[in-house]
Amino acid sequence: EPEVTQTPSHQVTQMGQEVILRCVPISNHLYFYWYRQILGQKVEFLVSFYNNEISEKSEIFDDQFSVERPDGSNFTLKIRSTKLEDSAMYFCASSATGINYGYTFGSGTRLTVV
Amino acid sequence: GESVGLHLPTLSVQEGDNSIINCAYSNSASDYFIWYKQESGKGPQFIIDIRSNMDKRQGQRVTVLLNKTVKHLSLQIAATQPGDSAVYFCAENPGGSYIPTFGRGTSLIVHP
Repeated sequence: EPEVTQTPSHQVTQMGQEVILRCVPISNHLYFYWYRQILGQKVEFLVSFYNNEISEKSEIFDDQFSVERPDGSNFTLKIRSTKLEDSAMYFCASSATGINYGYTFGSGTRLTVV
Repeated sequence: GESVGLHLPTLSVQEGDNSIINCAYSNSASDYFIWYKQESGKGPQFIIDIRSNMDKRQGQRVTVLLNKTVKHLSLQIAATQPGDSAVYFCAENPGGSYIPTFGRGTSLIVHP
């Protein structure tokens, strides 16, 4: 079964450093998403991306965040200057149609900011 | 230092029992609802969905019930198995948006 692949599975970074979280969506999917989940809390939407541009974003997704599809397979989330409160699981998801019953989530990257 | 976590509601059942997980949603304009299962260390996995023009939908061993009057959603799992142990999230789509808003989650523990 096709999978969404995320790397790394765990990233530790110092406060103020830039991090890039990587995702390889399912190959024929056109809609891409990032969510985050702070430990023990609910899954929160960050951003959706379609046709090489952001289609929707939440208030969490401020100027410190950016997304990019640098080539035909990768979808990245960059945090420019990490803060302690950015520590969370970050999930990438993709879908073929943009309707969320078709979402497939990756296994996540655990980001720890120290 | 002391760490403070959010304690999830927990449902403990015996293997073979039926489980019912409940969810209250907030937005009366929501027209589409999804249940996700999240196993430890993994991303959420779609289980079943229901549109607001329905009040019941069945899948394999799972049934979702929707009561729009009281804004309540439930997930019933028949003959619960140890592999069903996970955190279950309901999610709602406000009308006009395809971005689901996740609920808090319920931890289901199945004892063999």
